[in-house]
Amino acid sequence: GESVGLHLPTLSVQEGDNSIINCAYSNSASDYFIWYKQESGKGPQFIIDIRSNMDKRQGQRVTVLLNKTVKHLSLQIAATQPGDSAVYFCAEAGADNQGGKLIFGQGTELSVKP
Amino acid sequence: DTGVSQDPRHKITKRGQNVTFRCDPISEHNRLYWYRQTLGQGPEFLTYFQNEAQLEKSRLLSDRFSAERPKGSFSTLEIQRTEQGDSAMYLCASSLQGAGGYTFGSGTRLTVV
Repeated sequence: GESVGLHLPTLSVQEGDNSIINCAYSNSASDYFIWYKQESGKGPQFIIDIRSNMDKRQGQRVTVLLNKTVKHLSLQIAATQPGDSAVYFCAEAGADNQGGKLIFGQGTELSVKP
Repeated sequence: DTGVSQDPRHKITKRGQNVTFRCDPISEHNRLYWYRQTLGQGPEFLTYFQNEAQLEKSRLLSDRFSAERPKGSFSTLEIQRTEQGDSAMYLCASSLQGAGGYTFGSGTRLTVV
């Protein structure tokens, strides 16, 4: 069936370094993707999104890259800070005319060492 | 509007009891979703509403689960005859049809003992 998965379950980086979190998706028809950050005991928090008509989108310290050819999504965090420590999920949105439900992968735990 | 609100934040119940959770979405969002999340996993879709209509239910949603959104605003999720396997975080999200804006609440942590 359709799935969204992550290559790395855990990532440990030094404070100030850049982080890259990867995600693979299987539904080539998907046209909207979101990255979420989830801290312990809290709900997922929106970070950045991207539509399939783009291959790159930048936010504050974060960049999402989309490679539709290989169905790959990545989240880049610049100058990683201790406050970035959390689990990161990519999510794929279903067709809006079919409810647009999000399908999540397993997540990557980012640990930032001071 | 302060976002998506869920109540209670935590619930501990004995096996066999019924529990009900509430979700208040962002007021202008017409879609509301329920997800379940277990430790170390991503949220799993349970069901969604568009306005007051429940349009899709996952096969994860057994007969013991029922969700309502009677006036197209807040929603409730009830679990009857709870089992230990129901222990999880139950997340609610809302969005606006055609515009996305998916926003999650802080979730309700259910522990069945």
